[in-house]
Amino acid sequence: KNEVEQSPQNLTAQEGEFITINCSYSVGISALHWLQQHPGGGIVSLFMLSSGKKKHGRLIATINIQEKHSSLHITASHPRDSAVYICAVRHNTDKLIFGTGTRLQVFP
Amino acid sequence: DTAVSQTPKYLVTQMGNDKSIKCEQNLGHDTMYWYKQDSKKFLKIMFSYNNKELIINETVPNRFSPKSPDKAHLNLHINSLELGDSAVYFCASSQDLVEFFGPGTRLTVL
Repeated sequence: KNEVEQSPQNLTAQEGEFITINCSYSVGISALHWLQQHPGGGIVSLFMLSSGKKKHGRLIATINIQEKHSSLHITASHPRDSAVYICAVRHNTDKLIFGTGTRLQVFP
Repeated sequence: DTAVSQTPKYLVTQMGNDKSIKCEQNLGHDTMYWYKQDSKKFLKIMFSYNNKELIINETVPNRFSPKSPDKAHLNLHINSLELGDSAVYFCASSQDLVEFFGPGTRLTVL
């Protein structure tokens, strides 16, 4: 079992829908990251959080340290949001451990 | 202008060859990493360097040898390439725990 689990693995949505991607982890962490990998392959860091909630535009990330769980929400989804979203935790040893990713496709 | 750059972007080579991938960052970060993304898109850390010093070596075969000539560069040299080495290799740098990724190098071993 992977130390970082994401669900769902694949997600399709109609433009405008509210989207939630979940991440659970089983190790001690100093921070959790949400990354976006575009179809072209580039990886962009969306959020780094160690508690509470962060918002950037239509993206919201939350983390519950006690439950070892984080969610990434996308409001008013758009086809350009189509990408793979990857949860990664910064282990206490300072290395990043990655989830398997969630492939999101948003259709117009 | 590019923060983290890698060359080459694509690398196709025969089994048994030796190849290098170069990485440079102009962000002034102290820490640099190499990650491998396999065919199932799963990312895994390979190495971490802090200020030219090896910090993490994640049970990578010793055919893989990272070299950091200075804080801004972390190159990856691979000896005796095997079919299973085919993957996308990402370089990254970080400061204050925020990671910046290079564009990736797609290595195909034939």
